[in-house]
Parts: sequence; C-alpha cells; structure tokens
Amino acid sequence: QKEVEQNSGPLSVPEGAIASLNCTYSDRGSQSFFWYRQYSGKSPELIMFIYSNGDKEDGRFTAQLNKASQYVSLLIRDSQPSDSATYLCAVTTSGTYKYIFGTGTRLKVLA
Amino acid sequence: DTGVSQNPRHKITKRGQNVTFRCDPISEHNRLYWYRQTLGQGPEFLTYFQNEAQLEKSRLLSDRFSAERPKGSFSTLEIQRTEQGDSAMYLCASSPRGLVGNTEAFFGQGTRLTVV
Repeated sequence: QKEVEQNSGPLSVPEGAIASLNCTYSDRGSQSFFWYRQYSGKSPELIMFIYSNGDKEDGRFTAQLNKASQYVSLLIRDSQPSDSATYLCAVTTSGTYKYIFGTGTRLKVLA
Repeated sequence: DTGVSQNPRHKITKRGQNVTFRCDPISEHNRLYWYRQTLGQGPEFLTYFQNEAQLEKSRLLSDRFSAERPKGSFSTLEIQRTEQGDSAMYLCASSPRGLVGNTEAFFGQGTRLTVV
C-alpha cells in the first residue's frame, strides 16, 4: 500500500464547475497535509495546507480533512482553464519533517 | 528574488560522469529538502537537512548520491558515475522553523538532468 494515494486522472470538469480532488494516506500518525499545484514542466507550488479536522477555505480553494477516515480533499470552485494542472497531495508524519507525496491527479478544465 | 534558487536549470551529461547541483533556500528557512521527480510521478524524497545536519536520507538513495549543507545555508547534491536511470527533475525545497510537520515547504524551479 502506498503511503499517499491519489487517482491519477485525468479528471475533466467544465469551466465554472467544482473540481473535487481526493487523497488518502496510510499513516494514522500523519500530522499535516498539503496541496500543491504543478504545471507541466514546472515545479510544485503550494496552494494550501491543513492540519485540523474539518474545512479550510482560501479563495476558490477548500481543503477538507477527515483523520478518522484518513483522507484529505481539495475542492476548487468556479474552475477555470488556468486551473488545469496536476495536483499533488503531500503529508508529513510525526517524528520526521519530510513530506511524502502522492503521484498527483491531473485536472483538465474544459472551456 | 527571495524564493528557492536552483542551479543549473538544465544539465546534460554523459553516462559515467559526475554532476553537482546547487540549491539556495529562502534565507530564513532552516530546513532544506531534495526530491527527485520523474514523468507522471510525484516528488520522491531523497534527503533533508535541518541547518547543517543531514537528518534523514532515503533508503532508496544509492551511495552514488551525496548531499551537503556545510554552513546551514546553500546545499549541493552530487551524483557520481551517472546512469541513464538518474535522468529526472531534481527539486530542492525549504521550509521555516516550526512545529513538526506544520510548516509548508516551498520549491525551487528544479534542475532537469538528462543522462545520455
């Protein structure tokens, strides 16, 4: 079992719709959860992070964390073609400062 | 520019040669990370430093790879006797001091290595 799992996609949504990206993790000791966006050929850029159960909103983005079910999700409201990218989920666990990444979900927003 | 800086951006080398990459983190960040990423995969952890101390190194990392951060500022990643399988994007990231796991990491633009 991979430590951090994401559906590789592509996930296709029409412009203006809500895109929902999911991530599950295996280590119950995981503490912090990060979403990065990566455009083709570029490096990952941080969108947001969450470490408490519940929702965290930042503009069009909402991160949701459910530690009991070991999943974290990212919602993108009013999706735009410029949101088309790969979205990476990353997790940190207790006892280490390293970030463990999933393989990413490719999102396509159709104009 | 106050972000993470990596040099060079691209490197083409012949199999068997040694290469060295440099990373300059964000100045107030005490943690520095090296990752490797291949097409269609997420970043794979290689190693990280807290100040000048190398605290963890991936078990997947062969002895041909070595990293240093001599004064707790910039870091270098050296690959000796490169192989075609080393072709990848090498990413450096830094994060500020904080509680365990609660600080976000910021990435540099990466160094793309091609071994021919």
